[in-house]
Amino acid sequence: KAGVTQTPRYLIKTRGQQVTLSCSPISGHRSVSWYQQTPGQGLQFLFEYFSETQRNKGNFPGRFSGRQFSNSRSEMNVSTLELGDSALYLCASSWNGGNSETQYFGPGTRLLVL
Amino acid sequence: GENVEQHPSTLSVQEGDSAVIKCTYSDSASNYFPWYKQELGKRPQLIIDIRSNVGEKKDQRIAVTLNKTAKHFSLHITETQPEDSAVYFCAASKPRGSQGNLIFGKGTKLSVKP
Repeated sequence: KAGVTQTPRYLIKTRGQQVTLSCSPISGHRSVSWYQQTPGQGLQFLFEYFSETQRNKGNFPGRFSGRQFSNSRSEMNVSTLELGDSALYLCASSWNGGNSETQYFGPGTRLLVL
Repeated sequence: GENVEQHPSTLSVQEGDSAVIKCTYSDSASNYFPWYKQELGKRPQLIIDIRSNVGEKKDQRIAVTLNKTAKHFSLHITETQPEDSAVYFCAASKPRGSQGNLIFGKGTKLSVKP
């Protein structure tokens, strides 16, 4: 099976702009989680989607949002970008998103906000 | 909420030596503890995981131990090799309300010197 894919891989934006990142899970996986990775804060959970519904949300401002489509592909959107949003954004997929299921990560989208 | 602390932040060993990375968690309800390895510029990959009904798990040169009473778990790598050099992350997850939500430690950068 093909692994988790993310597009684009790299992105440069300026403050105030918005950005949309895409994640395609492993075929058959219905849960997609998003994480932000920065050198200072490490890997932080953003939100999780299952069957087109947000099931769980981390502690991030409302500027961070997401959605999931019927084919389980997911997008996340960041509006009104701030310099501190520069990070590697990783998505991970699993079968049902159960707490002890292995999460498989994508390669990430590296976002630079200038 | 759950908090996971990981030590040390950096670890340097000679090839062939053992490496131990320790994590503590705060929420006694956490019951799933995966370890991920992230090589430079690559995605995190699961290397081993343990559930709270098990005290120890081994997979070749890698082992994980869990002490539920003390709320800590450790990764042990024996006979280290240069290709073990990477950043290792521990994580914890709870059974309820935690779908797709892994709480990660800040990571340990392991360097194995030939």
